[in-house]
Amino acid sequence: AQTVTQSQPEMSVQEAETVTLSCTYDTSESDYYLFWYKQPPSRQMILVIRQEAYKQQNATENRFSVNFQKAAKSFSLKISDSQLGDAAMYFCAYMVGSRLTFGEGTQLTVNP
Amino acid sequence: NAGVTQTPKFQVLKTGQSMTLQCAQDMNHNSMYWYRQDPGMGLRLIYYSASEGTTDKGEVPNGYNVSRLNKREFSLRLESAAPSQTSVYFCASRLKPHQPQHFGDGTRLSIL
Repeated sequence: AQTVTQSQPEMSVQEAETVTLSCTYDTSESDYYLFWYKQPPSRQMILVIRQEAYKQQNATENRFSVNFQKAAKSFSLKISDSQLGDAAMYFCAYMVGSRLTFGEGTQLTVNP
Repeated sequence: NAGVTQTPKFQVLKTGQSMTLQCAQDMNHNSMYWYRQDPGMGLRLIYYSASEGTTDKGEVPNGYNVSRLNKREFSLRLESAAPSQTSVYFCASRLKPHQPQHFGDGTRLSIL
């Protein structure tokens, strides 16, 4: 079975600073997709960024970027110039076929 | 711009009562999903429907049934609610394989 591990239950960052959230996964598949979702207190699940496993180039979306290390099965999220609105629970997720598997989440606090 | 709509948003049940959670999407998506989210855990897949007319078990299907009523609607039924089913339930949909899932706002269900 595929598993996704987020080893940091909580992280904090100062406003305008950079923070990196860790994620590792376990799979025997070669074709899969990875995602980071953000869940603010409103409970919505908001897609932050996605990465195709067959692409070597790391995905970037404005202040959000990933460090995808396929051999190490690692998929970390870097948030640059952190803003108060970035405070949320962040979930790493792995998808193969129709099924999406989530990690347990990292609660990010942004300090003013 | 509705996206994925879940009803109700909140519900309290007594042990043994039955309940159907409704989900509808207006994006013409093919696949639909039901997840539950418990404190300190990521979302876990209950059931999914890869296409209209098909349903499959996910990671935690026991105690639940689903119906893919048509392409738009995918309902989740608890026949005899148990306190262990107290959770936040999310519905999601997706157009094509490997595309991100779009989530509803969740239903908070408490079973006494």
